[in-house]
Amino acid sequence: NAGVTQTPKFRVLKTGQSMTLLCAQDMNHEYMYWYRQDPGMGLRLIHYSVGEGTTAKGEVPDGYNVSRLKKQNFLLGLESAAPSQTSVYFCASSYPSPEQYFGPGTRLTVT
Amino acid sequence: DQQVKQNSPSLSVQEGRISILNCDYTNSMFDYFLWYKKYPAEGPTFLISISSIKDKNEDGRFTVFLNKSAKHLSLHIVPSQPGDSAVYFCAASEEYGNKLVFGAGTILRVKS
Repeated sequence: NAGVTQTPKFRVLKTGQSMTLLCAQDMNHEYMYWYRQDPGMGLRLIHYSVGEGTTAKGEVPDGYNVSRLKKQNFLLGLESAAPSQTSVYFCASSYPSPEQYFGPGTRLTVT
Repeated sequence: DQQVKQNSPSLSVQEGRISILNCDYTNSMFDYFLWYKKYPAEGPTFLISISSIKDKNEDGRFTVFLNKSAKHLSLHIVPSQPGDSAVYFCAASEEYGNKLVFGAGTILRVKS
């Protein structure tokens, strides 16, 4: 099992560009999550999904969109990147239980 | 307003001694608490958890203590090993299976 994988690992964007981050899990988990980690602030929830076809806003959803067309995939989109979105992005998945399994992260820099 | 707080940004401990990492929370609706460990350039990995109906949970060298009246939990690592050097995040959940709220993390350095 690969667990939770994220694509790409690194990306540099210019202000105003768009991109999509892909998260895939092979554990048949119902729930999936997108977080961002910034220095001194821990992990903050951006959006999450409790099942295929469903999404919900987390703590810091502005500037991001998500889609969960297939159970194993959860996509995070930035329509118009801003320097404030420079961060490390983590995807996670879980059964309906608190223990979440995290991917390795995507380091995004917006210049 | 941070609902989960880890007030010590870093902690340095000698190998073989006890490491104690602390976490405070403000939301009385939290009923499940977890600790995650994170190495550089990797994602967080689940370490240990505790339900609000318990006050202690052990797993090998790791023990988590929960004091609900003080809204405080702590992670004890005994004995500490150099491989334990990492960032430790405390997290809390308001209902079983729901989203987590994380603290800012504590950097643990275990010196050999």
